[in-house]
Amino acid sequence: NAGVTQTPKFQVLKTGQSMTLQCAQDMNHEYMSWYRQDPGMGLRLIHYSVGAGITDQGEVPNGYNVSRSTTEDFPLRLLSAAPSQTSVYFCASSYTGLNTDTQYFGPGTRLTVL
Amino acid sequence: SQKIEQNSEALNIQEGKTATLTCNYTNYSPAYLQWYRQDPGRGPVFLLLIRENEKEKRKERLKVTFDTTLKQSLFHITASQPADSATYLCAPGYFGNEKLTFGTGTRLTIIP
Repeated sequence: NAGVTQTPKFQVLKTGQSMTLQCAQDMNHEYMSWYRQDPGMGLRLIHYSVGAGITDQGEVPNGYNVSRSTTEDFPLRLLSAAPSQTSVYFCASSYTGLNTDTQYFGPGTRLTVL
Repeated sequence: SQKIEQNSEALNIQEGKTATLTCNYTNYSPAYLQWYRQDPGRGPVFLLLIRENEKEKRKERLKVTFDTTLKQSLFHITASQPADSATYLCAPGYFGNEKLTFGTGTRLTIIP
């Protein structure tokens, strides 16, 4: 198993540009989520999904969209990038849910918005 | 508002000693708590999950306690090694609420 994969590893955007961060898992996990990590702020949940076709907002959803058309993929879209979205983004997945199961994280995408 | 505090930003421990990390939470009654390890430039790695009805949980040299009265979880690494140097994150959660909130982490350095 490749586990949780994220692309790209690094990205530089200009303010106002849009892009999609890709996340895929090959473990047949139902639960997937996106976090951002900023110095001194810890990991903050952006959006999550408990299965294909089901998504919900986390703590900091503004400026981001998600969709879950398949079990394997959970892309994160930045609609109009802003410098405040400069961060490291992590995707995570687990088989069923958080309270009984290990959550696996991807290697992260480091995004800089100029 | 809900708040999670991990005892300090950085902790230096001599090799072979026990490292103890603290996770305190306020305005919270979590049903479980997870601990993760994160190395620089990498994603967090799940270590242990402890539920509110479990006072203690062990995995090899790791031990986690969960005191719902004190609103605190302690994470112990016994016989610490330089390879244990990393940032450790705690994350309390609720059943039926698929949202984890993470603490900011404690950067542990084991000194040879």
